[in-house]
Amino acid sequence: DADVTQTPRNRITKTGKRIMLECSQTKGHDRMYWYRQDPGLGLRLIYYSFDVKDINKGEISDGYSVSRQAQAKFSLSLESAIPNQTALYFCATSGITDTQYFGPGTRLTVL
Amino acid sequence: GDSVTQMEGPVTLSEEACLTINCTYTATGYPSLFWYVQYPGEGLQLLLKATKADDKGSNKGFEATYRKETTSFHLEKGSVQVSDSAVYFCALRSPSGGYQKVTFGTGTKLQVIP
Repeated sequence: DADVTQTPRNRITKTGKRIMLECSQTKGHDRMYWYRQDPGLGLRLIYYSFDVKDINKGEISDGYSVSRQAQAKFSLSLESAIPNQTALYFCATSGITDTQYFGPGTRLTVL
Repeated sequence: GDSVTQMEGPVTLSEEACLTINCTYTATGYPSLFWYVQYPGEGLQLLLKATKADDKGSNKGFEATYRKETTSFHLEKGSVQVSDSAVYFCALRSPSGGYQKVTFGTGTKLQVIP
């Protein structure tokens, strides 16, 4: 079984809809991250969390919110989706080393 | 701020050709440097890393040397295979500040043809 899982893997939605992307991990890591990937821009950090009570904004947090329900679960929400939020979204975790472990990604399309 | 610059892709090579993907960085202090690989339809996974100057990271026939004097961490492989086709990301983790942020390059797509 994969160590970092994301649901859904693909989602098509309409402008103005609320969307939640979910991430679960079995690696026992405290640190979790949400990134978005756009062609030509690489990965950009949306939010990160170092433990259940710690939530921090990344470089592009506007229009997004997160919830850390447990050590193993970190959800990303788009309260009112807009077309320029169409992207590939990745969840990642890290432990005491500086290596990040990524989920398989969620491809989100906002029409 | 920290930044990573890597060569534009896509890079197309024939099987068994030599590969070099250039990566240079700007950072304060002494960052850790990484190469991540993203195979089609998958998330990124760590390929190799180096944590101090002159360290060489290696894995699966790939290697990269941390060159502080040229602020570079070029990825090399002597003989590529079709299975190496993927997108390669150079990244750094800066030790400065309270949050040790990871900064990624824009990625270089490699296509290896038989």
